[in-house]
Amino acid sequence: EAGVTQFPSHSVIEKGQTVTLRCDPISGHDNLYWYRRVMGKEIKFLLHFVKESKQDESGMPNNRFLAERTGGTYSTLKVQPAELEDSGVYFCASSQDGFRDLFHNEQFFGPGTRLTVL
Amino acid sequence: QKEVEQNSGPLSVPEGAIASLNCTYSDRGSQSFFWYRQYSGKSPELIMFIYSNGDKEDGRFTAQLNKASQYVSLLIRDSQPSDSATYLCAVTATTDSWGKLQFGAGTQVVVTP
Repeated sequence: EAGVTQFPSHSVIEKGQTVTLRCDPISGHDNLYWYRRVMGKEIKFLLHFVKESKQDESGMPNNRFLAERTGGTYSTLKVQPAELEDSGVYFCASSQDGFRDLFHNEQFFGPGTRLTVL
Repeated sequence: QKEVEQNSGPLSVPEGAIASLNCTYSDRGSQSFFWYRQYSGKSPELIMFIYSNGDKEDGRFTAQLNKASQYVSLLIRDSQPSDSATYLCAVTATTDSWGKLQFGAGTQVVVTP
């Protein structure tokens, strides 16, 4: 079974440009999450989709970040316009039936996208 | 105060010894607790999860949870050089945000031959 995949693995852009990150969850996983790790800090939650709906977007830093999950399959995270402080590693994770059993929400992470804003 | 706290390390452990990692959390309503292992430049890999007070064993790993004291620990028995990695403690807080994992900064473990 394929794991969570993310594209691209690396992205280097200039301040003010736009970048779109993509995540493909494990097949059959309704829950999809975005996290971010900036240099020297812990991994921070950004948002959580259940199928195509946003369950929790409390971690989105500001309105320059837009996440979508049309059709409840893959998800994109767009940063527009990018700022220097957006640099970091963006992780996507997925999990299966968390809603039915709140205690069994094991999340599986993708390899991440390393974003560098110059 | 951070929501999830871990000693950053590095924790140096001789090969074959037991590595003991600790994690404390601030939200008393936390429900689920996870340990991830992350090799440098790689994604976090889930190695253990625990939901109830007490111990849970899986191979060389044992997770221990004490909700009254708000800590969770991970023991790695018979440590191997391949266990050298950063270990991340993660917690899901309250039931109204059940999908949100809150991570500690991680403890770096170095197993020396």
